[in-house]
Amino acid sequence: GESVGLHLPTLSVQEGDNSIINCAYSNSASDYFIWYKQESGKGPQFIIDIRSNMDKRQGQRVTVLLNKTVKHLSLQIAATQPGDSAVYFCAENRGGSEKLVFGKGTKLTVNP
Amino acid sequence: EAGVAQSPRYKIIEKRQSVAFWCNPISGHATLYWYQQILGQGPKLLIQFQNNGVVDDSQLPKDRFSAERLKGVDSTLKIQPAKLEDSAVYLCASSLDQDRYNSPLHFGNGTRLTVT
Repeated sequence: GESVGLHLPTLSVQEGDNSIINCAYSNSASDYFIWYKQESGKGPQFIIDIRSNMDKRQGQRVTVLLNKTVKHLSLQIAATQPGDSAVYFCAENRGGSEKLVFGKGTKLTVNP
Repeated sequence: EAGVAQSPRYKIIEKRQSVAFWCNPISGHATLYWYQQILGQGPKLLIQFQNNGVVDDSQLPKDRFSAERLKGVDSTLKIQPAKLEDSAVYLCASSLDQDRYNSPLHFGNGTRLTVT
């Protein structure tokens, strides 16, 4: 039978639209969060990070929002381009530990 | 700068056989990681080295997996004997040091292992 793990959450957007990818984390002790982009056949690539003493951080075309109250993280991509099509992972660093724990990922498809 | 190099790119073996993966981190990076990424999931840390010493191998199945980083540069990950559930992409990553805020992980493109 099929594995639940094969069914990635998916998001499909039109080129030029804004994208919002969400992530829920479970450990309230996590104090550092990173978003990675993984294109097909490649390793994850660092996009942006945020520490728990912040609730928003902006990069080039990307913004990360952190809501510690509900343990929620989001990645906003402005003016999404076909090159943004990839799987996006959030990762958390669980307070004090150097181990980075990755979430399940969201597949973003950008339609031209 | 040159990225993290991994080889081979693909490997197909039968169960109970052995296999080895090689990683060359970015020059000067003291910390090296091996991750396992099963299809449709996020990467899972197997082992972390700081120079040639092991920092964390708590999730490494030590009855069949082994890893070494001789001379604190290149690393090899070995599986012996392989099981069907070992089919995955094995990713190597490196970072300048263990400072998590200022040393982002740089990943290689991985080795895709298929165990039949």
